[in-house]
Amino acid sequence: QKEVEQNSGPLSVPEGAIASLNCTYSDRGSQSFFWYRQYSGKSPELIMSIYSNGDKEDGRFTAQLNKASQYVSLLIRDSQPSDSATYLCAVNMFRAAGNKLTFGGGTRVLVKP
Amino acid sequence: GAGVSQSPRYKVAKRGQDVALRCDPISGHVSLFWYQQALGQGPEFLTYFQNEAQLDKSGLPSDRFFAERPEGSVSTLKIQRTQQEDSAVYLCASSLEASGSGGTQYFGPGTRLLVL
Repeated sequence: QKEVEQNSGPLSVPEGAIASLNCTYSDRGSQSFFWYRQYSGKSPELIMSIYSNGDKEDGRFTAQLNKASQYVSLLIRDSQPSDSATYLCAVNMFRAAGNKLTFGGGTRVLVKP
Repeated sequence: GAGVSQSPRYKVAKRGQDVALRCDPISGHVSLFWYQQALGQGPEFLTYFQNEAQLDKSGLPSDRFFAERPEGSVSTLKIQRTQQEDSAVYLCASSLEASGSGGTQYFGPGTRLLVL
């Protein structure tokens, strides 16, 4: 079992719809959670960080964290073709030294016009 | 402001050759990380520096991999006697905060290494 798991996709979403991405993690004590967007051939770009249970909204993006279920999700509202990318879930695991991130394999999102 | 920069952006090496990859973090960032990203996968942790101290090198895949950050700013990742399985994108990230605070990491553009 991987430490951070994501569905690899592709997740195909019509333009204007909501894209829902999920991520589960194994280390119950983890405290910091991040969503990165990565366009093909580019480096990861931070979209959201979340540290407390509940929802955190930033523009069209909402991150949701449930530590009891060891689950973090990302919602993209009003999806645009420019949102087509791979979305990486990253966790700063409690038992990890420093702030090193453990990444999931990424979910590829395709927004169709 | 300037972000994390890496050089070279692309490197082709013959098997057995040594390579050196450079990372310039964001000015003033205490923490520096190296990750390796294989095609179609998420980045995997290699090593971590807090200033000039290498606090975690648990992700380095073999003793052919060596990293340094002698003055607490620029870092170099060196791979000796490259093998085909070393082909990947090597990402550098920096963070303002020191260990334990869960700070945001900002990634450089990466170095794409191809070993023939």
